[in-house]
Amino acid sequence: EDQVTQSPEALRLQEGESSSLNCSYTVSGLRGLFWYRQDPGKGPEFLFTLYSAGEEKEKERLKATLTKKESFLHITAPKPEDSATYLCAVQASGTSYGKLTFGQGTILTVHP
Amino acid sequence: SAVISQKPSRDICQRGTSLTIQCQVDSQVTMMFWYRQQPGQSLTLIATANQGSEATYESGFVIDKFPISRPNLTFSTLTVSNMSPEDSSIYLCSVGGQGEKLFFGSGTQLSVL
Repeated sequence: EDQVTQSPEALRLQEGESSSLNCSYTVSGLRGLFWYRQDPGKGPEFLFTLYSAGEEKEKERLKATLTKKESFLHITAPKPEDSATYLCAVQASGTSYGKLTFGQGTILTVHP
Repeated sequence: SAVISQKPSRDICQRGTSLTIQCQVDSQVTMMFWYRQQPGQSLTLIATANQGSEATYESGFVIDKFPISRPNLTFSTLTVSNMSPEDSSIYLCSVGGQGEKLFFGSGTQLSVL
């Protein structure tokens, strides 16, 4: 069974204090790994897709990396507006289009 | 990216009643997806809705409990039937984008008393 585990469950940072979020996954074959941001009362907002080990993607203060067993979301010099829940999801080989397996998310709080 | 509108944004319902959630997309899409996000849980796919055919349900979800309509390429509804407190969740409509990523609506926060 496909499985996604995110850690930590919650992370509190001071503004400017860089850190990383972890996403460990177990799938029969990976078609894609996705990172989303979710603000309270809103749906998930797409951030990145990663397809193969060694791949990296960047957007502003965020950088996502992928290995064969896990992905990291690195946050450099975060600001209070980066506070949100960050979700990781995988699309496994052999699953139907649109069926993503999500982790439970990491709640990030950035204090000024 | 697609713009996805969901109505209602939130509702409080009584046990035993039903609620229909609407999802409108600003472009024509072949497939629409309904997800559930229970408190403290991860998002789970309920079903895939194709225009012109019956929805395909994931294991653990049945048509009698979650009937879905897909009358055209921009609109879908999900009904949560005979509700119980365990149905209290956020229900999310989504559509696909390039590279198999999904775009999500803002969700419907449902509380069942």
